[in-house]
Amino acid sequence: QKEVEQDPGPLSVPEGAIVSLNCTYSNSAFQYFMWYRQYSRKGPELLMYTYSSGNKEDGRFTAQVDKSSKYISLFIRDSQPSDSATYLCAMSGYNFNKFYFGSGTKLNVKP
Amino acid sequence: GAGVSQSPRYKVAKRGQDVALRCDPISGHVSLFWYQQALGQGPEFLTYFQNEAQLDKSGLPSDRFFAERPEGSVSTLKIQRTQQEDSAVYLCASSALMDEQFFGPGTRLTVL
Repeated sequence: QKEVEQDPGPLSVPEGAIVSLNCTYSNSAFQYFMWYRQYSRKGPELLMYTYSSGNKEDGRFTAQVDKSSKYISLFIRDSQPSDSATYLCAMSGYNFNKFYFGSGTKLNVKP
Repeated sequence: GAGVSQSPRYKVAKRGQDVALRCDPISGHVSLFWYQQALGQGPEFLTYFQNEAQLDKSGLPSDRFFAERPEGSVSTLKIQRTQQEDSAVYLCASSALMDEQFFGPGTRLTVL
């Protein structure tokens, strides 16, 4: 069993929809939780990160962490075609020097 | 440029050849990471440097993989006697200490 599980999709939604992306994990030592966006043939870019449990909002993006359930989510409001990409969750312990990534969810937002 | 750069962007090797992949991190970044990303998968951690010290190499899949960062800036990932299962995108990331990792565009390695 992988330490981080993520539904690979693909997920196809109409423009303007609310998108929900999720990951589960097994290692209770994880403290930092990140969401990356990766366009085709590019490196991942950080969207958001949260420390421990709770919510964090940044524009159209909201990240949620539920450590008791070992479950994290990323919500995208008013999705745009430019949001079409692969979304990767990632996690690390306190030392922040070894990240564990999910397999990525491919999102397609249709105009 | 201000970002992480990697070269070559694409590399085709015959099985059994040695390859060397280069990473130029963001200037001043102390930490440097190498990841392997297979098709349709997320990045898998290979190794981590803090300055010139390789502090974690637990993700290197075999002793054919070797990484170095001799002067604490540029890093090279070397793969000896390449095998078909080594085909993947190799990503490099750098960061200030305990901070966000910035990724390069990756080197796509194809082993025939």
